[in-house]
Formats: sequence, structure tokens, C-alpha cells
Amino acid sequence: EAQVTQNPRYLITVTGKKLTVTCSQNMNHEYMSWYRQDPGLGLRQIYYSMNVEVTDKGDVPEGYKVSRKEKRNFPLILESPSPNQTSLYFCASSPTESYGYTFGSGTRLTVV
Amino acid sequence: GNSVTQMEGPVTLSEEAFLTINCTYTATGYPSLFWYVQYPGEGLQLLLKATKADDKGSNKGFEATYRKETTSFHLEKGSVQVSDSAVYFCALGDSGAGSYQLTFGKGTKLSVIP
Repeated sequence: EAQVTQNPRYLITVTGKKLTVTCSQNMNHEYMSWYRQDPGLGLRQIYYSMNVEVTDKGDVPEGYKVSRKEKRNFPLILESPSPNQTSLYFCASSPTESYGYTFGSGTRLTVV
Repeated sequence: GNSVTQMEGPVTLSEEAFLTINCTYTATGYPSLFWYVQYPGEGLQLLLKATKADDKGSNKGFEATYRKETTSFHLEKGSVQVSDSAVYFCALGDSGAGSYQLTFGKGTKLSVIP
């Protein structure tokens, strides 16, 4: 089944403890992206990648890192999480810029 | 920069009513336009899209036409069902200047009552 898989689905962590949210797609898509969804703010793009080793900042990149060493994987790294990064995170992938993204099921992160 | 403005909800309709959710955009290039739907507790699903002016996207009874002259991409459905209750997001994809960003509106929550 074609899909974008994120792990974990739920995560509660403490301020300052480094964490990684994994994202993997099995569709050989070129484009991948991370979004956060917050009430009243909608979805905001954190980082995106157009191919292996090619990444760029979205609208809200502060406090996040990404890497694209393989085409299928696009992990999101929070080096020192803070409570304002409590949010619902989505990974997405697309074969081209006009095709439309396929989204993962989301990761609900709580930083206390 | 690019932006998407969609009507604020929530919107509550009776079953079989006509649905319109307005969406307008601001873009510097020639964007692709999308509607996504999010059911409770789930990720977003692509509902329909249009890649150039005057294109009409359609899926599951929903339609939207890319209107460059009014910079709009309004979502319509002739007869809504209870199962259409969800949050709907309008989005703009712009690949200008060698980069690619997908910008979302804030979403419109639709509730359909029997």
C-alpha cells in the first residue's frame, strides 16, 4: 500500500531532551515536507526537500532540523524541544510540485 | 509572499444542502491550487486540484474552478451528506524561483446534520 509512515504517533517529552520523529514513504517521491498544525493557525510548513541532500526552510523552521540522506526518509529533529513546539506534526510527500501531497497520519507531540 | 484566505467556520448544514466554501489566494507566480480534507483524528487527504487557469477539479461530488481573474478557488458540492463532516483546507503550491512551497489556508470546519 502506498503510504507515508510517521513514528511515533504520540510522544510526550521534557524540555531540552533531543528527539527525532521519523518519516518514510514507499512511493519513490521526490518531494517531502514537514508541517505543524496548531489551533487557529492552520498548517505551517517547517522544512521541505526537493530531492536527496536538497532541503530548504519553510515558514517556521526555528528549533527544527531535517536531513534527506535517502529518498524515502525525511526525519524531523528537535535538538532542544521547548513547550511552544507542542503541536500536531505531519509529514508529506509528492512526486512533483503540481501533483499534491500525500500526508502521514500525524505525530502528536507534547513538550512539558 | 503567497497566502491563502478561506472563509472561517464553523459551517453547519443540513443533509442535502448546497455547500460553498470560499477560497482566495495571493501568489507571485502561476500556482497550482488544491483542496484537502481532514476527518477527525486523521491526516489530510487530497480532495481535488487544478494546475492552471480555468481548470476544474472534481472528486466525490465536490468541484472547484481555478479563476485567475478573481484569484479564487471556491469549493462546492450540490448535496452534502453527514459523512462530509470534516475540516477543509484550501492550499496553494508555488514552484517559483527553483523552490517549492505549499501554503495552506486556516481551514473551514463543516458539520452536516441529518
